Amino acid sequence: KQEVTQIPAALSVPEGENLVLNCSFTDSAIYNLQWFRQDPGKGLTSLLLIQSSQREQTSGRLNASLDKSSGRSTLYIAASQPGDSATYLCAVSYRTFGNEKLTFGTGTRLTIIP
Amino acid sequence: KAGVTQTPRYLIKTRGQQVTLSCSPISGHRSVSWYQQTPGQGLQFLFEYFSETQRNKGNFPGRFSGRQFSNSRSEMNVSTLELGDSALYLCASSPWSNRENNEQFFGPGTRLTVL
Repeated sequence: KQEVTQIPAALSVPEGENLVLNCSFTDSAIYNLQWFRQDPGKGLTSLLLIQSSQREQTSGRLNASLDKSSGRSTLYIAASQPGDSATYLCAVSYRTFGNEKLTFGTGTRLTIIP
Repeated sequence: KAGVTQTPRYLIKTRGQQVTLSCSPISGHRSVSWYQQTPGQGLQFLFEYFSETQRNKGNFPGRFSGRQFSNSRSEMNVSTLELGDSALYLCASSPWSNRENNEQFFGPGTRLTVL
């Protein structure tokens, strides 16, 4: 079964610290992996997309890595700020013919303590 | 460029009624997907439309249906509402240039409450 797992479910860190969020997936046959953030009661904001042929992507203070062989991705947030507090979701587009869709993890709820 | 818009933002219905939700994708995007988000099940895929054709469908009962119009706008319909249908319904659009680079952009969602 194609699944996506995010551990831990919740994380609190002091402002200014660097942090890493983890995402695991069960099948290396993927098109891409996408990281999103979701604020309470809101929609999803796309942060980064990593294509299967790529190893990492960067946007500002965010850096996402992809290791297909181990089925893992990480989202690195540098110099965290209170505005980074949100739920972070990773989603995988598996290479399943006729059923290409995003399979989501359950998310990591991040709290940055001022 | 305007983002994905969804209407209405909030809905309250009673069991047995039906509801129609609307999604307008980003201009130029041809693919629209729908997801249901609940605290217990997380984000689950409902269906995807591309050029007015349903291309993929998730594991939801037939009460859930959708369509896409020639301008790429999409609607989803839920008939005979049940309490368990209460959820945030999210729409996502993508350009579909190729599968590897198919970034999806989400709207703000429609919060449906079934009483």
